[in-house]
Amino acid sequence: DAKTTQPTSMDCAEGRAANLPCNHSTISGNEYVYWYRQIHSQGPQYIIHGLKNNETNEMASLIITEDRKSSTLILPHATLRDTAVYYCIVRVSNNYGQNFVFGPGTRLSVLP
Amino acid sequence: GAGVSQTPSNKVTEKGKYVELRCDPISGHTALYWYRQSLGQGPEFLIYFQGTGAADDSGLPNDRFFAVRPEGSVSTLKIQRTERGDSAVYLCASSLRGGTPYEQYFGPGTRLTVT
Repeated sequence: DAKTTQPTSMDCAEGRAANLPCNHSTISGNEYVYWYRQIHSQGPQYIIHGLKNNETNEMASLIITEDRKSSTLILPHATLRDTAVYYCIVRVSNNYGQNFVFGPGTRLSVLP
Repeated sequence: GAGVSQTPSNKVTEKGKYVELRCDPISGHTALYWYRQSLGQGPEFLIYFQGTGAADDSGLPNDRFFAVRPEGSVSTLKIQRTERGDSAVYLCASSLRGGTPYEQYFGPGTRLTVT
């Protein structure tokens, strides 16, 4: 799996958009980008994933650059409950059952 | 619907003892994963099951660790002769199928403390 690089920590004001960057410059053409988050003392929670196109769901938007070497997770209106560690992971498609390789992630603090 | 459940939520054991950790995946999910998470770090892969068989056990740290999934649903992670370094949160995840693009759904974890 390609290696990802994320900032160690970020702050965001409540109600504002949180933009979490991720670099994956060695990503291959068949590797998906996944985002998970982990709230203190809970298991990781799936947020969104994408291959080439930008994606949006009820939780967030995922913006992938045209060269696919980086992406940004956007939480449009951050709340205090969005305070968590956010993990960006790349994973090979059609690789039967390959596990996720988690890095240290970005610790997002949403401030009142 | 019900998510992934894990029991116990907390387990304290003495060094050298044997422990079993249980995972109940989401109904109908054929793939099941075990991870271990130490304080301040991301989860670390241990083993992956597709159905009843262990498709990838490359993450198990040594032969004291073993996992089973005899009927393709519930899985048990077994640790023999526990050591203080085994203290961590053990996470279980399941997905509808193995591989991409299926997302993994995680349980709350079992916090193991070896004294």
